[in-house]
Amino acid sequence: DAKTTQPPSMDCAEGRAANLPCNHSTISGNEYVYWYRQIHSQGPQYIIHGLKNNETNEMASLIITEDRKSSTLILPHATLRDTAVYYCIVIMEYGNKLVFGAGTILRVKS
Amino acid sequence: DAGVIQSPRHEVTEMGQEVTLRCKPISGHDYLFWYRQTMMRGLELLIYFNNNVPIDDSGMPEDRFSAKMPNASFSTLKIQPSEPRDSAVYFCASTLSKGVWGYTFGSGTRLTVV
Repeated sequence: DAKTTQPPSMDCAEGRAANLPCNHSTISGNEYVYWYRQIHSQGPQYIIHGLKNNETNEMASLIITEDRKSSTLILPHATLRDTAVYYCIVIMEYGNKLVFGAGTILRVKS
Repeated sequence: DAGVIQSPRHEVTEMGQEVTLRCKPISGHDYLFWYRQTMMRGLELLIYFNNNVPIDDSGMPEDRFSAKMPNASFSTLKIQPSEPRDSAVYFCASTLSKGVWGYTFGSGTRLTVV
């Protein structure tokens, strides 16, 4: 599975959009980009995933560049409860090992 | 559905003692995973099962660790004997399909070995 690179930490003002970047320059054609987050003291939680098209659900939007070498997770109106570690993971859809990197610590501040 | 249920939530034990962590996956899910999380190493996959059969245990740190899944609704992770370096949060997760989007994690067991 392709390796991902994320900034170690980011800050965001409450109510503003949080844009979390992820680089995955070695991604192959059949690999998906997944995002999970882990709020303090809880287990990881699935957010969204995509292959090459942009995706949106009730939690977030995922923007994948045309060359698929990078992506951005967007939380449109961040709240204090969105403070968490966000993990970008590249894996084949039917891969059975979910391998977590260090992720990005997002701090939403009032 | 109550989600993935882990017990106990917290466990404090003395070095050398046996520790058993328990997990009840979501009903109908056919994959079960055990993870360990520490500040130093982050989230590590220890072992996973498919239809109660261990598929990959390459992440199990050493012979002191063992995991079983006697039926579709129950799994255990045992450490014997426990050591202080085993102190961590242990998560169990389950999924219906092989696709990772369906992973649901439990609340974890915080293990402290003194």
